[in-house]
Amino acid sequence: EIVLTQSPATLSLSPGERASLSCRASQSVSSYLAWFQQKPGQAPRLVIYDASNRATGIPARFSGSGSGTVFTLTISSLEPADFAVYFCQQRSNWPPTFGGGTKVEIK
Amino acid sequence: QVQLVQSGAEVKKPGASVKVSCKASGYTFTSYPMHWVRQAPGQRLEWMGWINSGNGDTKYSQNFQGRVTITRDTSASTVNMELSSLRSEDTAVYYCARDRPMVRGVVEYFFDYWGQGTLVTVSS
Repeated sequence: EIVLTQSPATLSLSPGERASLSCRASQSVSSYLAWFQQKPGQAPRLVIYDASNRATGIPARFSGSGSGTVFTLTISSLEPADFAVYFCQQRSNWPPTFGGGTKVEIK
Repeated sequence: QVQLVQSGAEVKKPGASVKVSCKASGYTFTSYPMHWVRQAPGQRLEWMGWINSGNGDTKYSQNFQGRVTITRDTSASTVNMELSSLRSEDTAVYYCARDRPMVRGVVEYFFDYWGQGTLVTVSS
């Protein structure tokens, strides 16, 4: 199965700063990669699908890029609501798999 | 609006079974497949299986083959996940997650809405 490796594990930033999160796949997943946001005690929320498409209701400060094995989620200017754990998921190969997550915390 | 509401937390002994339910609302239940995903403490999310909410077809992860059963009740717009022969490693939060409608009979593994999660604790 495809292994997704996220880095860094923790990102300490201040509101207003730019966040760049990485997700690397052990083999190509084409553009079939999604990003989710999860806050403590809450369900995951779809942020980006198919590498670069914002999900419904997601602000424009969130963007995704990449294809093949290297992907990036960028938050252009962090808002207080953006501090959370983000994880990636591939749906190119069965079974679908998830990354280990990156925690974006307030510095 | 789309809502997936799961049943409450469970505490089970090793060897027992647990059944978690997921009640859907806000959309045509039978048109959207449903998946189950779990997250053990400190571990990444793990996909368990899915069900075609329309005809009841299922497919399970090899990691759970033989221990997991996913069913649906169309009259109640509810999907159930039963996990048997529980062990301590099954302690986790279990989520249901909706997929997009199938295209030409192919499931997409596109998780657009999630339930709130159900904590299952396995302890003697």
